[in-house]
Amino acid sequence: EDQVTQSPEALRLQEGESSSLNCSYTVSGLRGLFWYRQDPGKGPEFLFTLYSAGEEKEKERLKATLTKKESFLHITAPKPEDSATYLCAVPYKISGNTGKLIFGQGTTLQVKP
Amino acid sequence: KAGVTQTPRYLIKTRGQQVTLSCSPISGHRSVSWYQQTPGQGLQFLFEYFSETQRNKGNFPGRFSGRQFSNSRSEMNVSTLELGDSALYLCASSLDDSYGYTFGSGTRLTVV
Repeated sequence: EDQVTQSPEALRLQEGESSSLNCSYTVSGLRGLFWYRQDPGKGPEFLFTLYSAGEEKEKERLKATLTKKESFLHITAPKPEDSATYLCAVPYKISGNTGKLIFGQGTTLQVKP
Repeated sequence: KAGVTQTPRYLIKTRGQQVTLSCSPISGHRSVSWYQQTPGQGLQFLFEYFSETQRNKGNFPGRFSGRQFSNSRSEMNVSTLELGDSALYLCASSLDDSYGYTFGSGTRLTVV
């Protein structure tokens, strides 16, 4: 079965201190990679979908990139409201064109003012 | 538009009891998936329903079951609850087979 590994598990940043989160995966035929943000007590909130190596997507202070073996979520000049757990996931085909998402364990980001 | 609605938000049950959780997907979404989230295992796939049919199932015991109604609303049931069933249960809906899921806020189940 495909696997997804995220690092680091936890990350503490000062406000304005840029950094990157990593998501590495082993898949047989990538059908996309998803990034989600999850706040405590809530469900994951969709951020980005990347489909091919070299693809990049941006949203406010976040930029997601994809290579053949990993994805990065770059956070530029983060603010305290960016504190959350960031999850990446890849589709795993079970039957036909349907299946499930395999999630990484997540990176918990804390941004201090 | 309204998002994915899960009820109840919190539940406390006793070991051995059974529980039913409900999920109302986004209007027009026909695919509903269920995931269990725990600190140790993260998000684990339970099952997926599409047009009232279970299409896929994860590696969970038969105590975990679900169904989907004609209006796409879904329920999942856990019988003979165990302490290890304590988790956040998340429902996600999708318009099609693109894995573009929208998640609900989940139901926090505590088994004592």
